[in-house]
Amino acid sequence: AQTVTQSQPEMSVQEAETVTLSCTYDTSESDYYLFWYKQPPSRQMILVIRQEAYKQQNATENRFSVNFQKAAKSFSLKISDSQLGDAAMYFCAYLYSGGGADGLTFGKGTHLIIQP
Amino acid sequence: ETGVTQTPRHLVMGMTNKKSLKCEQHLGHNAMYWYKQSAKKPLELMFVYSLEERVENNSVPSRFSPECPNSSHLFLHLHTLQPEDSALYLCASSQETDQPQHFGDGTRLSIL
Repeated sequence: AQTVTQSQPEMSVQEAETVTLSCTYDTSESDYYLFWYKQPPSRQMILVIRQEAYKQQNATENRFSVNFQKAAKSFSLKISDSQLGDAAMYFCAYLYSGGGADGLTFGKGTHLIIQP
Repeated sequence: ETGVTQTPRHLVMGMTNKKSLKCEQHLGHNAMYWYKQSAKKPLELMFVYSLEERVENNSVPSRFSPECPNSSHLFLHLHTLQPEDSALYLCASSQETDQPQHFGDGTRLSIL
């Protein structure tokens, strides 16, 4: 079974600075997707960025980028120019690309605090 | 507008009550999901529906009963719940089961 591990329960960063959130995962599959979701106090789980395992190029979405290391099974999220609105719980998630019944496997989350 | 709407937003019920959670998606997706989010634990998948057919029941207790009458609506019927069932219940949908999921705001459930 696949597992997702986020080793940082909480991270703090100064506004406008850069922060990196860590995620490692374990799977025996070769084709899968990885995601970062953001959950602010409003509770809605918002998709931040996605990465297809077959793509070597790291995904980027504006201030958000990932460092995907497939061999190391590592998928970190870098947030540049941090803003107050980035404060939230961040969840790393895995999805087998063959579809089916497994749904998303989530890590426990990292609470990101933005210091003004 | 989130695309996935959940009602009610909050629910408090006794252990002997029967209630239902509702989820509606306006995205034209074919797959819908129920997740449970408890404090200090990762989100747990409860049920998956694809084209209105249940694909998986992740060993969820029978006091939780899902219903998917059509591809846009998903219900979670609750009866004789336990205090440990207090949690945030999140609904999600995706185009297919191998596509990114879009989540609703969740229902915060408290069992007295």
